[in-house]
Amino acid sequence: EIVMTQSPGTLSVSPGERATLSCRASQSVSSKLAWYQQKPGQAPRVLIYGASTRAPGIPARFSGSGSGTEFTLIISSLQSEDLAVYYCQQYNNWPCSFGQGTKLEIK
Amino acid sequence: QVQLVQSGAEVKKPGASVRVSCKASGYTFTAYYMHWVRQAPGQGLEWMGWIVPVNGDTNYAQRFQGRVTMTTDTSINTAYMDLNRLTSDDTAVYYCATGGGSGWYDYWGQGTLVTVSS
Repeated sequence: EIVMTQSPGTLSVSPGERATLSCRASQSVSSKLAWYQQKPGQAPRVLIYGASTRAPGIPARFSGSGSGTEFTLIISSLQSEDLAVYYCQQYNNWPCSFGQGTKLEIK
Repeated sequence: QVQLVQSGAEVKKPGASVRVSCKASGYTFTAYYMHWVRQAPGQGLEWMGWIVPVNGDTNYAQRFQGRVTMTTDTSINTAYMDLNRLTSDDTAVYYCATGGGSGWYDYWGQGTLVTVSS
């Protein structure tokens, strides 16, 4: 099973600032990487798939990059509603696997 | 619009079984695999398996092999996840999830909390 490791575990960012979240795979997953946002008490919501394609309805301030084993999610100008836990998921190999999450706090 | 509506919360004793249902609407039920993902309290997401509604083929995560059964009833657009021999480690929110992507999920149910406690 491919292990996904996210960093940092918690990130504190001021509104309007940039947030950079990282995800590393234990072996190459090509570009088969998705990012999800999960707010308290809610189901996850897909933000990015294919490492860099924004899902429909996702604001342009969310962007994804990377391939192989190193991936990044950037929130270019943090809004208060972006408070959430963010998960990466690889779907290149079954079983698919998720990272442990990055908790994004608003300063 | 696509909706996945899951059954309500359950409280079970250790050793018991639980069935969670997931009723789909707003799309052709047989078009997409249905996956199940769980999340223990304060923890991350764990994929459990998928089922192909059109033919019933399944693929379960190894750690659930022998304990989980996923089925569908295409006449009522509903998927089911049965988990038996429950322990306290199975206390979690269980989600059904689907979508047209090749392994990522557009759509999620609202989640079903299963609590295992004596």
